[in-house]
This record gives sequence, structure tokens and C-alpha cells, in this order.
Amino acid sequence: NAGVTQTPKFRILKIGQSMTLQCTQDMNHNYMYWYRQDPGMGLKLIYYSVGAGITDKGEVPNGYNVSRSTTEDFPLRLELAAPSQTSVYFCASSYGGQGNTEAFFGQGTRLTVV
Amino acid sequence: GNSVTQMEGPVTLSEEAFLTINCTYTATGYPSLFWYVQYPGEGLQLLLKATKADDKGSNKGFEATYRKETTSFHLEKGSVQVSDSAVYFCALLLDQGAQKLVFGQGTRLTINP
Repeated sequence: NAGVTQTPKFRILKIGQSMTLQCTQDMNHNYMYWYRQDPGMGLKLIYYSVGAGITDKGEVPNGYNVSRSTTEDFPLRLELAAPSQTSVYFCASSYGGQGNTEAFFGQGTRLTVV
Repeated sequence: GNSVTQMEGPVTLSEEAFLTINCTYTATGYPSLFWYVQYPGEGLQLLLKATKADDKGSNKGFEATYRKETTSFHLEKGSVQVSDSAVYFCALLLDQGAQKLVFGQGTRLTINP
């Protein structure tokens, strides 16, 4: 049971570099999410998707982009890395629909921007 | 707006002690409430949930009751174990359409043998 898989687990970027955080799920979930977790803070929603081809901004979308070309994959793109983007990033998915509200999380990507 | 406030951590207890982690929320509608747990090096996983007032969620000896009158969802366990050491997040879900979760800041729990 793979569930939600994120890669890489760790990454150090220099200011101005770009990278893509990969996320894939094998549960055929409709909904997918990207969160960031800063020390002492709860998770903040960056972007989400309710199905292939549909994405929308969350609470903290600035500096990020996403795409959802397939049900399984939901990559997060950082175009010009900034120190403020140092954080732990979590991808999550859920089936969607009434009564199916449990979210399943990946193990996280720890990103440091120097 | 919608928000979740948890008791400040970290919390350190001895094995077999009683645990309470406070959680209160602010919401414009009638949210579902959740407790998620994050074990070291892992992602979050659902611990328990409650979808309406007076519902009690329970799992692995943990319980929480949805109290609409006090807008609270406190997590309790009668006798904690070392294996319960983790970070606990209270969360609410208000947008049934997109099912977006709003999280509290998390409470780190350490249980000493």
C-alpha cells in the first residue's frame, strides 16, 4: 500500500533556484492538496485540486504553482526560491464526497532555501 | 474567519498519566472536527473525528467530544504510553465542497517511561 508518495524527502536550494516537489497517490482519490508546515505553526494550505484539470489557490499560494494533468499526480513548482519558502511540505489526498472526509498525507519534503 | 487554537506545547507526561490537549475553534458554520497525529518522521494520519454537535470520536484509547456550546474538541486519554509520543493537530473542515482542512498549530507530546 503506497498511499501518498512524495519526493524528494529533503532538498537544499539556493535563492532564485527552481524545483518541483512530486506527489503521487494510488488510491484513485479525486481531491489533492499541498500544505506547508512552519515551526510552531499549523499546516497552511497552498493549493488544492478537486479533480484532474482543476486547481485552485489556498491560503498561501504566492511563489508556487501546481498542475493536475492526471488523477494520480499533483506536482508543486517553486519558480524562484526564497528563504521564506523554507518549510516542510506535505501533500495529501482524499476521496471527496459526503462522508469521505479523511485526508491521507505523504511523509513530507523538508526544503531549505539558503 | 475560521480558525483552530490548541493548547501550547510541548507537553511532557509520565507513562500511564491522564492526557488532555485542549482545542477550541472559530467557524462561521457547522464544521466537522478532527484530530490528526504525526509520529516522528511520518506524515499526518487521522486519529479520530466528529461530524456534529455532541458526537464523540474515539480511537486507540483517545476520545474527543464535539461541544458546540463551548466550541471545543478536547483530546483525552486515560493512560498514555510511550508510543503515544507524537505531535497532535486539531483541525476543522468547513468547506464540504473542496474539503479544505484548517489546522491548529500542533501540540508536541512526549511520554517518559
